[in-house]
Amino acid sequence: DGGITQSPKYLFRKEGQNVTLSCEQNLNHDAMYWYRQDPGQGLRLIYYSQIVNDFQKGDIAEGYSVSREKKESFPLTVTSAQKNPTAFYLCASSIDRTETQYFGPGTRLLVL
Amino acid sequence: ILNVEQSPQSLHVQEGDSTNFTCSFPSSNFYALHWYRWETAKSPEALFVMTLNGDEKKKGRISATLNTKEGYSYLYIKGSQPEDSATYLCAFMNTGFQKLVFGTGTRLLVSP
Repeated sequence: DGGITQSPKYLFRKEGQNVTLSCEQNLNHDAMYWYRQDPGQGLRLIYYSQIVNDFQKGDIAEGYSVSREKKESFPLTVTSAQKNPTAFYLCASSIDRTETQYFGPGTRLLVL
Repeated sequence: ILNVEQSPQSLHVQEGDSTNFTCSFPSSNFYALHWYRWETAKSPEALFVMTLNGDEKKKGRISATLNTKEGYSYLYIKGSQPEDSATYLCAFMNTGFQKLVFGTGTRLLVSP
């Protein structure tokens, strides 16, 4: 089955801890994205990557980091510098940056 | 800052009712307007990508229209069914940023 997988479904972070959210796709898409959803707000772009070994900051990149070493994978690290990390995180991919985006099931991050 | 607004915020209709919602976006530098359906506990799913002024798309009982000159798109659902219950998101892309800016969504509940 082609699609996007995210893991884990739920993630708990302790104060001062870095955590990494996984995103994998087997759609052979060049572009991948990370969004954050908070109650009452639209999806906000954290980082995006148009091609392997390249990525760009989105609207709310502070406190986050990413890597794109493989076409299939675009992990997001929530660092200790992100002071309000509790949110729902969605990963998406598309053939290129202008085309339809396909979303994963999401990861809910909670702070202990 | 690009602003995408959706109305109403939520809608509750009876099975068989027809309904529509609005997405408003900047009328300048238009590139594309996306519609997504997001059912609870599932991933957002693409409905339409609209690129031309006057465009009209249809998928079963769901259709959408686009007016780029005045900056709005309507999504129509004919004869709503309980399985149409979801949050409907629109997202705007302009020629400058080449990224999607999402509205906060319209939450539709269809009662049997």
